[in-house]
Amino acid sequence: DAGVIQSPRHEVTEMGQEVTLRCKPISGHDYLFWYRQTMMRGLELLIYFNNNVPIDDSGMPEDRFSAKMPNASFSTLKIQPSEPRDSAVYFCASSKTGLVTEAFFGQGTRLTVV
Amino acid sequence: AQKITQTQPGMFVQEKEAVTLDCTYDTSDQSYGLFWYKQPSSGEMIFLIYQGSYDEQNATEGRYSLNFQKARKSANLVISASQLGDSAMYFCAMREPSNTGFQKLVFGTGTRLLVSP
Repeated sequence: DAGVIQSPRHEVTEMGQEVTLRCKPISGHDYLFWYRQTMMRGLELLIYFNNNVPIDDSGMPEDRFSAKMPNASFSTLKIQPSEPRDSAVYFCASSKTGLVTEAFFGQGTRLTVV
Repeated sequence: AQKITQTQPGMFVQEKEAVTLDCTYDTSDQSYGLFWYKQPSSGEMIFLIYQGSYDEQNATEGRYSLNFQKARKSANLVISASQLGDSAMYFCAMREPSNTGFQKLVFGTGTRLLVSP
């Protein structure tokens, strides 16, 4: 298996534009997580899915952020409209169980909003 | 309120020496877990070591050990015999209580470790 695959690796966009980040979890993993990493706040859990169903989205900063998982092999994190403070590295991770010690992280998408 | 505090933004160590990365945490729960992750320049997060709040002995995994001092609420990571490949960001994390079966983690801001020859 190729691991958790995120695309794009880098995204630069103008303020106000819509941004869509994509994630392909490891096949057979029932849990998928979206994290945001910034220098000031470290790594924060935004939302996680179990069997394609969003379970906890309390970490989503505001209504401009939305996440979907239409099937077991694909998830998106969308920001509309984007703002400069959204600039961060966004990580997707997946695990077979709910145990974070068994979670595999993707390489992240570095988002820059100018 | 900051639940995980890593006060060292950067640390330097020479190859083959030991290094301690600090982590303090804040919780009122009796049952919790503490984790350390490594993030190399390639970006992925790699799980290193875990310590449960009820574990009486400090966790060890190869060259990694966790200096767990419960009364002081600290969970420092000790890397012995540093190697050049240890250069990376290191994150301390704590498991928050959850009734969903999923271990929700809160991460610190990280410490960048540079190992020099």
